[in-house]
Amino acid sequence: DIVMTQSPDSLAVSLGERATINCKSSQSVLYSSNSNNYLAWYQQKPGQPPKLLIYWASTRESGVPDRFSGSGSGTDFTLTISSLQAEDVAVYYCQQYYSTPPYTFGQGTKLEIK
Amino acid sequence: QVQLVQSGAEVKKPGASVKVSCKASGYTFTGYYIQWVRQAPGQGLEWVGWINPKSGATNYAQRFQGRVTMTRDTSITTAYMELSRLRSGDTAVYYCARVDVELVAATTTAVGADYWGQGTLVTVSS
Repeated sequence: DIVMTQSPDSLAVSLGERATINCKSSQSVLYSSNSNNYLAWYQQKPGQPPKLLIYWASTRESGVPDRFSGSGSGTDFTLTISSLQAEDVAVYYCQQYYSTPPYTFGQGTKLEIK
Repeated sequence: QVQLVQSGAEVKKPGASVKVSCKASGYTFTGYYIQWVRQAPGQGLEWVGWINPKSGATNYAQRFQGRVTMTRDTSITTAYMELSRLRSGDTAVYYCARVDVELVAATTTAVGADYWGQGTLVTVSS
């Protein structure tokens, strides 16, 4: 199975500042045939189901604010929140969808306000 | 609008089985896969498996093989996840989610889970 490792486990950022969360996969999740990375990012607030933010590593889901961006390729990926808002406090997960299941998640990164 | 509505909380004894339902509406049920993900109290997300509602084909995470069964009833646009031989470690919130898929290099591959159910808490306790 592909192992997904996020860093850091928790992060405290001041309002208006940049937040960066990393995700590393144990093998590449890039399909050379279409140049897409099968990596998604989710946001989960307490008591709520996860919400899809980013798919194909860098494509923002409809309705997601443009302060959220995804980057990376192959095995190393980053979720960036350009200017942290109070409503962004949540746990963030990456998930790989490469090839056949299981489609493993990272352990999560808890984002708080400093 | 797209909605996934799950059945209510369950309390089960060790060794019993539980069946959680996920009623889909607002889209073509057979056009998207349904994945099941669980989350133990205070823990992260764990992928359990998925089902293709069109064909009924399933794929389960290895650790649940032999204990989990995913089915669907297309006439009522509902997916089900049954977990048997429950133990305390199965206590968790179970989520269903709609998954967009595409064919890449002859393999069905997911793009992302864009709609989620509200979650069903399954408590296993003697």
